[in-house]
Amino acid sequence: AQTVTQSQPEMSVQEAETVTLSCTYDTSENNYYLFWYKQPPSRQMILVIRQEAYKQQNATENRFSVNFQKAAKSFSLKISDSQLGDTAMYFCAFMKSNTGKLIFGQGTTLQVKP
Amino acid sequence: NAGVTQTPKFRILKIGQSMTLQCAQDMNHNYMYWYRQDPGMGLKLIYYSVGAGITDKGEVPNGYNVSRSTTEDFPLRLELAAPSQTSVYFCASSPIGRAGMNTEAFFGQGTRLTVV
Repeated sequence: AQTVTQSQPEMSVQEAETVTLSCTYDTSENNYYLFWYKQPPSRQMILVIRQEAYKQQNATENRFSVNFQKAAKSFSLKISDSQLGDTAMYFCAFMKSNTGKLIFGQGTTLQVKP
Repeated sequence: NAGVTQTPKFRILKIGQSMTLQCAQDMNHNYMYWYRQDPGMGLKLIYYSVGAGITDKGEVPNGYNVSRSTTEDFPLRLELAAPSQTSVYFCASSPIGRAGMNTEAFFGQGTRLTVV
């Protein structure tokens, strides 16, 4: 069975600074996807970034980038130039390719301070 | 473009009552899911469906039932509500398997359910 672990329950960062959220996962699969979702106080789940396991290049989306280490089963999210609107709970998620089931980590609450 | 629509947004149930949480998507996605999120925790999969007429259990299916008679709708039924089912419920859909489509899940706004 696959598991996803986020070892940082809470983090804080000053506005305009950079922060990295950690995620590790356990799987014996070779084909899968990894995601970071953001959940602001509105409760809406918002996709931040996606990584296909077969791609060696790390995904980037504007201020968000990942460090995908397949051998180490690590998938960290880096937020550059943090903004107040980045304050939210962040979830790392794993999807096995041929089932489509998403498995979530416990989440990291990020507070961006002015 | 409505995406994934869940109703109701809030509900209070008494112990032993039953209810159905509605979920509809207008994106013609084949995969649909139900998750629950307990306070301060991640989402756990209750049931999922890979297409009309096909459903399967997730990690925490006990106390719930689902059906998928159409591609668009995926209702979640709670029978004999218990306090342990107090949670926020999310429905999601995904275009997995469709050529050229990104593999990501689109979520509804969630239903906050309290069982007293």
